[in-house]
Amino acid sequence: QVQLQQSGPGLVKPSQTLSLTCAISGDSVSSKSAAWNWIRQSPSRGLEWLGRTYYRSKWHNGYAVSVKSRITITPDTSKNQFSLQLNSVTPEDTAVYYCARSEQWLNNWGQGTLVTVSS
Amino acid sequence: QSVLTQPPSASGTPGQRVTISCSGSSSNIGNDYVHWYQQLPGTAPKLLIYRNNQRPSGVPDRFSGSKSGTSASLAISGLRPEDETDYYCAAWDDSLSGWVFGGGTKLTVL
Repeated sequence: QVQLQQSGPGLVKPSQTLSLTCAISGDSVSSKSAAWNWIRQSPSRGLEWLGRTYYRSKWHNGYAVSVKSRITITPDTSKNQFSLQLNSVTPEDTAVYYCARSEQWLNNWGQGTLVTVSS
Repeated sequence: QSVLTQPPSASGTPGQRVTISCSGSSSNIGNDYVHWYQQLPGTAPKLLIYRNNQRPSGVPDRFSGSKSGTSASLAISGLRPEDETDYYCAAWDDSLSGWVFGGGTKLTVL
């Protein structure tokens, strides 16, 4: 059974970088059938897909247009995890952030991390 | 503004049947499967229906899904008090090359 365990700070200052990690058990970040996603949820924006990374003979990334200039999702094969970095955050980036595994649907989710952007 | 459109609220009495709609476009629902999630307060969304009408093991057959064209529906029959929570639809969008979601429907069991 796949489990995703998130870690990272819950408070980030404006203009700084939000960094979260998602540790995978029960599957491999290098899986050739799965993709590894970051999604956030806030009252104002609802559920919002941010991006994904996946391996199909080589690594691929895909990002939402809304954050494309500020986001990086990176796999770490040595630790079987993947990470989110979101640069230049503003209070609008305050949300619960989830990591999620997908094949043909989003079938496994992390526990969620509330990230507040505030000075 | 969510890409998929759901009613913000729905309600029913215990034992009743309720449906929740989800409207999209040709680049998402019209071209791919719809999936439904149930989210209890303070928890991550949980897969309820996948590939339009398939239930993961452990999901009661009171929950069912359907799709027609660019719209989909989630039906809950034999409504129970524990069904009172939020429901979301989701689909892959080929134009956006990403997952899109509905704004969520809060179900109240009266």
